[in-house]
Amino acid sequence: GAGVSQTPSNKVTEKGKYVELRCDPISGHTALYWYRQSLGQGPEFLIYFQGTGAADDSGLPNDRFFAVRPEGSVSTLKIQRTERGDSAVYLCASSSLGQSTDTQYFGPGTRLTVL
Amino acid sequence: DAKTTQPPSMDCAEGRAANLPCNHSTISGNEYVYWYRQIHSQGPQYIIHGLKNNETNEMASLIITEDRKSSTLILPHATLRDTAVYYCIVRVENGSSNTGKLIFGQGTTLQVKP
Repeated sequence: GAGVSQTPSNKVTEKGKYVELRCDPISGHTALYWYRQSLGQGPEFLIYFQGTGAADDSGLPNDRFFAVRPEGSVSTLKIQRTERGDSAVYLCASSSLGQSTDTQYFGPGTRLTVL
Repeated sequence: DAKTTQPPSMDCAEGRAANLPCNHSTISGNEYVYWYRQIHSQGPQYIIHGLKNNETNEMASLIITEDRKSSTLILPHATLRDTAVYYCIVRVENGSSNTGKLIFGQGTTLQVKP
């Protein structure tokens, strides 16, 4: 079946602009995670949704970052007033129930470049 | 912070077994050991996980020491397509404050050579 998909695959923007990154989880998965991966580093947790609600947003670096999942499926990560330090690969993952031992399935990521 | 320690890189000859070590000396009794790998330009891929007993699936075997302070991921017959970064992660069992998030370290870059 279809895996996790993310769009766009690449996004280039200018410093100060607003960007939206989209994640389509595996159908029926209630848990959705966003991670950020800088060059040469492992992925870093940003936010976790259980259904429509953000159950853990402790990884969001500051208030320029925001994510939504209004219908409990597709999620959008929104970054305001982008900075060059926001350049990274943004990964989305989903799991069936969000229980700690559920397998997380990752998408291919969106590579964000802020010029 | 990641609770695991892995060597930054390893080489393996194609067709031979690749043995990737991981130290997790502060692991708690209710924490599982998970392994993911990330092939270049792709998202991480689940490989295997275990609590106490050794585990095997179609991809790999996981050997956990009796004191659970370290483990080894074994790829029995490495191929060129197994070249990737391998992450060892400890993950707590269900709990009211747990969200299932994965805490990645820097992993081991495995290079399989012909």
